[in-house]
Amino acid sequence: GAGVSQTPSNKVTEKGKYVELRCDPISGHTALYWYRQSLGQGPEFLIYFQGTGAADDSGLPNDRFFAVRPEGSVSTLKIQRTERGDSAVYLCASSENGATNEKLFFGSGTQLSVL
Amino acid sequence: DQQVKQNSPSLSVQEGRISILNCDYTNSMFDYFLWYKKYPAEGPTFLISISSIKDKNEDGRFTVFLNKSAKHLSLHIVPSQPGDSAVYFCAASEDNAGNMLTFGGGTRLMVKP
Repeated sequence: GAGVSQTPSNKVTEKGKYVELRCDPISGHTALYWYRQSLGQGPEFLIYFQGTGAADDSGLPNDRFFAVRPEGSVSTLKIQRTERGDSAVYLCASSENGATNEKLFFGSGTQLSVL
Repeated sequence: DQQVKQNSPSLSVQEGRISILNCDYTNSMFDYFLWYKKYPAEGPTFLISISSIKDKNEDGRFTVFLNKSAKHLSLHIVPSQPGDSAVYFCAASEDNAGNMLTFGGGTRLMVKP
């Protein structure tokens, strides 16, 4: 596709449930990033993939959060035992090859609401 | 603690006038700075950037100024247009940290016709 695609655009779940958020990066982009934006704040880094491997997962808040990118294209962010504090917009971005200072292209995000 | 701060949550200016958005940072290892613009229900889009070896970068109506000694940068938009109304995020990255960006909290700009 022309841009970074994220599905679903909105997800409402109950506390304690498991959710999966999907990101389809720009075709050919090897670098993929997940960020989380809480209400009234700027995006916060979660994890960065270079190809299939997680090059930096230092931003994941705890072990309930996990992300995969098995074929080096689509990525899935998985959240177990969701908590109300997980409610936020989850943003995915991609860049051509992860070079320093390379431009990031963001998707529109998934608004996650945990009731 | 926030390493990148945007102390003004909102700014309102008249169409045709200058908009000045400010950003402060605390991490002296940051060496690349960016501004992103975000419309509602859309992802942030890249606007303009500046390397720490420069103190100014200009692109059309947008100019970013960097004052390293003060750890301060600003975005100037002149002339401001109603279509510029959006949330603007300042972001920074360290050398050799790939593209791991640290964002400020954002400033909502409203340009009145």
